[in-house]
Amino acid sequence: QVHLVQSGPEVKKPGASVKVSCKASGYTVTTFDISWVRQATGQGLEWMGWMNPKSGNTAYAPKFQGRLTMTADTSIDTVYMELSGLRSEDTAVYFCAREVRYSGSFFESWGQGTLVTVSA
Amino acid sequence: DIQMTQSPSSLSASVGDRVTITCRASRSVSTYLNWYQHKPGQAPKLLIYTASNLQTGVPSRFSGSGSGTDFTLTITSLVPEDFATYYCHQSFSIPPTFGGGTRVEIK
Repeated sequence: QVHLVQSGPEVKKPGASVKVSCKASGYTVTTFDISWVRQATGQGLEWMGWMNPKSGNTAYAPKFQGRLTMTADTSIDTVYMELSGLRSEDTAVYFCAREVRYSGSFFESWGQGTLVTVSA
Repeated sequence: DIQMTQSPSSLSASVGDRVTITCRASRSVSTYLNWYQHKPGQAPKLLIYTASNLQTGVPSRFSGSGSGTDFTLTITSLVPEDFATYYCHQSFSIPPTFGGGTRVEIK
């Protein structure tokens, strides 16, 4: 059974960076792309970017360009999302999601979410 | 970016009711449209992919339809565990975008 297990909650100060992990089980992480989606409190879902763990290729939403880095350690089936230059507006729950490509694509399995709080 | 607009933003319904949620894209997304259910504190759950395909394990009371710019998610007979927020999502173009969500509450 496919599971994506994310790292625990984080509290960061403005200007700091946060790195969230997403460990895959039940499949080999190199076989599917991973996207990251976030949800600020009381807001909807927002796509941040995508990674192919096998090739290392990435694509980021324009609003995160220059602040967002996605990486993978395929030896432990884990992908990472690092967001730098944190500001209060980045306070949100961050989800990783396994992306299946089939006539477009969809997010088939999701991690449990990681709350990142940015506060002075 | 393609804008996705859901309506209504919230609704109140009773167990057993039929519920219809609509999603409109700012331009055609063909059938590259998915639906998710999201409950507080949980991971979102895929319900429908490519407009009308029921994800494995999702009850048949859920169905999706539409193409181009207009899509519908229907729940034929609400059960208690269906009270949640529902999101549409287009994967036609980068960046993928979500609708603002429809919160289904108990009347």
